[in-house]
Amino acid sequence: KAGVTQTPRYLIKTRGQQVTLSCSPISGHRSVSWYQQTPGQGLQFLFEYFSETQRNKGNFPGRFSGRQFSNSRSEMNVSTLELGDSALYLCASSTGQGPAFYGYTFGSGTRLTVV
Amino acid sequence: GQQLNQSPQSMFIQEGEDVSMNCTSSSIFNTWLWYKQEPGEGPVLLIALYKAGELTSNGRLTAQFGITRKDSFLNISASIPSDVGIYFCALTTSGTYKYIFGTGTRLKVLA
Repeated sequence: KAGVTQTPRYLIKTRGQQVTLSCSPISGHRSVSWYQQTPGQGLQFLFEYFSETQRNKGNFPGRFSGRQFSNSRSEMNVSTLELGDSALYLCASSTGQGPAFYGYTFGSGTRLTVV
Repeated sequence: GQQLNQSPQSMFIQEGEDVSMNCTSSSIFNTWLWYKQEPGEGPVLLIALYKAGELTSNGRLTAQFGITRKDSFLNISASIPSDVGIYFCALTTSGTYKYIFGTGTRLKVLA
């Protein structure tokens, strides 16, 4: 079955702009999680959605937001971009329930560069 | 907040050697996972551990969930060049719907 698809793969934006990243989970998976990966901070949890509801949120400013659609596809938005937002943004999908939740499948990520 | 220490930060080894890396946490968790990330890709799940003391193998990989539930190790036997990558431990607790990731161990295998 198809894996987790993240688009775009690469993105260059200017400070102050906003950006929207997209994630299509594995068919049948209802949970989508987002992580930010940087060399200095490693993998940091942004938020998790299950059946269009946010179940948990990490310690990121309100400029970072997300949503999930009825087909389980998810988007994350970052407004008023800062240089420090440059990172690899990873999306992970899972069934979202029971022990199988722990079997995350990650996408290849979107590399965001803010200049 | 929770601290997750992973060591070593990096390793350079010869092909055929065995490798060991570990993670320790400041709190108790009920699930430990080990991931591998290759350049340009997202992490891939290698092994999941759900019970204290559990020892699980996946080919040349072996991982154990410490009996104190605050640590875990990952061993790779007879390393090969394709083992190159960054290995992450990750923790979660049921109901939190999130992982905490270690800082990673960067492994390089010299042929």
